[in-house]
Amino acid sequence: DIVMTQGALPNPVPSGESASITCQSSKSLLHSNGKTYLNWYLQRPGQSPQLLIYWMSTRASGVSDRFSGSGSGTDFTLKISSVEAEDVGVYYCQQFLEYPLTFGSGTKLEIK
Amino acid sequence: EVQLVESGGGLVQPGRSLKLSCLASGFTFSNYGMNWIRQAPGKGLEWVASISSSSSYIYYADTVKGRFTISRDNAKNTLYLQMTSLRSEDTALYYCARGATPWGQGASVTVSS
Repeated sequence: DIVMTQGALPNPVPSGESASITCQSSKSLLHSNGKTYLNWYLQRPGQSPQLLIYWMSTRASGVSDRFSGSGSGTDFTLKISSVEAEDVGVYYCQQFLEYPLTFGSGTKLEIK
Repeated sequence: EVQLVESGGGLVQPGRSLKLSCLASGFTFSNYGMNWIRQAPGKGLEWVASISSSSSYIYYADTVKGRFTISRDNAKNTLYLQMTSLRSEDTALYYCARGATPWGQGASVTVSS
């Protein structure tokens, strides 16, 4: 199984500052078709997870351009520029290259 | 509006069965693969099972293989998860999802005597 490892944030993050969340996969998620099979989700308190980024760097519909995804085949970063109160929650990376689908353990973002 | 509504959760004794449903609306259900993902209380996300649009391809997490069955009825726009031989560690909020998005609000399953 592909193991997804997420880094922690130095919480709380001051409002207006940027925050970067890291995620590593135990196997390259770069497919021969050139796409990287990585999603990022945000789960706000008391809510269902929502998709932020797919194919490692494509923002989902309606997602603020303050969110951006980048990375290589095994190392990924979700950057939130100018964090706001509504960004509070737990962020998860997920690989969908192969089954079983696997998630990182989550990274909590708190705002100061 | 795309909507997924789970139902069928509840309190069940260990070893018993429960069937979850996920009613889809706002999109052509038969065109999409669907997933069940669960979240134990205070824990992270765990993928449970996936089914392709025509039910040709089905996958399970090892933790539920042989006990859970994912299925769908495209005529009824409904996804199912039949859970048998339930264990305490199956206690979780069960989400259905259309591919990666969106997710439903979840159905709570508690396995306890």
